[in-house]
Amino acid sequence: KNEVEQSPQNLTAQEGEFITINCSYSVGISALHWLQQHPGGGIVSLFMLSSGKKKHGRLIATINIQEKHSSLHITASHPRDSAVYICAVRRGNNDMRFGAGTRLTVKP
Amino acid sequence: DVKVTQSSRYLVKRTGEKVFLECVQDMDHENMFWYRQDPGLGLRLIYFSYDVKMKEKGDIPEGYSVSREKKERFSLILESASTNQTSMYLCASSASGQAFFGQGTRLTVV
Repeated sequence: KNEVEQSPQNLTAQEGEFITINCSYSVGISALHWLQQHPGGGIVSLFMLSSGKKKHGRLIATINIQEKHSSLHITASHPRDSAVYICAVRRGNNDMRFGAGTRLTVKP
Repeated sequence: DVKVTQSSRYLVKRTGEKVFLECVQDMDHENMFWYRQDPGLGLRLIYFSYDVKMKEKGDIPEGYSVSREKKERFSLILESASTNQTSMYLCASSASGQAFFGQGTRLTVV
């Protein structure tokens, strides 16, 4: 069983919909990252969080340390949000574990 | 902006060839990483380096080696490429817990 589980694996939404991607992990962590990967491969970091909630534009990330669970929300989704979203947990300075990713497609 | 640059976006190599994937970062980061990404498996760590000439095996080092002669450059070497090494390869560097990724190299071994 993967230490980091994401759901759903694939998600299709209509433009404007509210989207939630979930991440559960089974190990102790120092931080959790949400990453975005566009077609072509490059990965950018959206959030790094160790508690509570962070917001950046239409993106919101939350984490519940006790339940070992994090969610990424996208409000008012747009086709340009179409990408693979990856949850990663940091266990130590050089130890990151990655989820398999959620492929999001937002249709106009 | 931190920049992590991988030398090639796409590569096609023949079975048995020695393959070099190069990665350069411009922010003086000590930690650098090589991952491969396969469908359904996510990113898996091949090797990482925490200083010049220092390296540590990750989860899947078999068939790979690395070189870090200068702080800004971390090279991944496939000693004798095989078809099961066809994958997307991603380099990253990190500091203060934040990771920065290159654009990826899609390697096909035929």
